[in-house]
Amino acid sequence: TQLLEQSPQFLSIQEGENLTVYCNSSSVFSSLQWYRQEPGEGPVLLVTVVTGGEVKKLKRLTFQFGDARKDSSLHITAAQTGDTGLYLCAVLGGTSYGKLTFGQGTILTVHP
Amino acid sequence: DAGVTQSPTHLIKTRGQQVTLRCSPISGHKSVSWYQQVLGQGPQFIFQYYEKEERGRGNFPDRFSARQFPNYSSELNVNALLLGDSALYLCASSWRHPLGSEQYFGPGTRLTVT
Repeated sequence: TQLLEQSPQFLSIQEGENLTVYCNSSSVFSSLQWYRQEPGEGPVLLVTVVTGGEVKKLKRLTFQFGDARKDSSLHITAAQTGDTGLYLCAVLGGTSYGKLTFGQGTILTVHP
Repeated sequence: DAGVTQSPTHLIKTRGQQVTLRCSPISGHKSVSWYQQVLGQGPQFIFQYYEKEERGRGNFPDRFSARQFPNYSSELNVNALLLGDSALYLCASSWRHPLGSEQYFGPGTRLTVT
């Protein structure tokens, strides 16, 4: 059983469309992170959310942490081809000190 | 400033062989973590080193080992390679203990076991 369940696994959209990616769990977290990974690269941190109900914006990307701190969403407005990549949610800590636990990721493809 | 660097970029090995992967953290970073990313999945935690000591270990067999050197670079060793070890191996560094500091990932080493 995955600690973090991401949906959808795959998303293929046209440039200009909006989309939402979800990260869900039955556990409560003190914080949650979102990463983007492009082919041939390692994950790059986009944002860390720490407060239940928190909303953070990064240009066209909006991140929300659930009120109960068990889930999070990433919304992209007017997607661009440069948004193509693997989006990963992750939490820090757990059974091993300093460990990042990732969801399985959402592969986003934005077509021109 | 240079980011996290890993070598080699790609590697092809045969079942049963041994492999050593290398990681150089960002200058000033004292913590290095290793992750395995199988195609289509998120990265899985293997090891974390801080100040040259192992501080965390994931659910991987003893065939996997690592160490951190006085200059904070790190090596990941995998013995008796299996086909299932084929993956992207990522190294991440942070300037102090990962709890509370951002981890920066390298581009990874793509290992193919045939």
